[in-house]
Amino acid sequence: QVQLVQSGAEVKKPGASVKVSCKASGYAYINYFMHWVRQAPGQGLEWMGIINPSGGTTSYAQKFQGRATMTRDTSTNTVYMELRSLRFEDTAVYYCATPGKAAADTPLDYWGQGTLVTVSS
Amino acid sequence: IQMTQSPSSLSASVGDRVTITCRASQGIRIDLGWYQQKPGKAPKLLIHAASSLQSGVPSRFSGSGSGTDFTLTISSLQPEDFATYYCLQDFSYPRTFGGGTKVEIK
Repeated sequence: QVQLVQSGAEVKKPGASVKVSCKASGYAYINYFMHWVRQAPGQGLEWMGIINPSGGTTSYAQKFQGRATMTRDTSTNTVYMELRSLRFEDTAVYYCATPGKAAADTPLDYWGQGTLVTVSS
Repeated sequence: IQMTQSPSSLSASVGDRVTITCRASQGIRIDLGWYQQKPGKAPKLLIHAASSLQSGVPSRFSGSGSGTDFTLTISSLQPEDFATYYCLQDFSYPRTFGGGTKVEIK
């Protein structure tokens, strides 16, 4: 059974960086694409980007180009999403999600529990 | 690709038939999924490839459409269906979600 466990809540000041982790278990994660999606309080879902853990290739929404970096650590089955130059409007719950199928980047069948990132001075 | 979802909210009673629509700004074949989200929880996949019911999802949920116009239908609304629903196009990058439809109890 695929499980995604994310790191705990974070509180950061404007201008700082945050790195959220997503640890996968229950499958050969190296073959499975991982998406990141965020949700600001009371708002809808926003797709941020995707990483192919196999080769480390990434694709980002234009809004996050240059400010977000998705990486992976194959030795620990963990993917990371780092967001820099945080702004108040980056306050959100950040989710990792995967199709859980080899060589597939869709649909988003398995989700992490979410990580609340609060940007506050 | 812009995804326009409607309505943004609706009120319905248990047993009602509910329809939610999503319109893409360009053709996306059948590359669309529907997700259900309850407060404080991660989204859950209901439908993929526009009309394929995900394993374990009740058959009262159905999806249809292709190209630019898509529909999620709940044939007989149950108490556990009160939630927010999102469409997501997976035709191209960047992926884009619809704005969501909140289904509330009348």
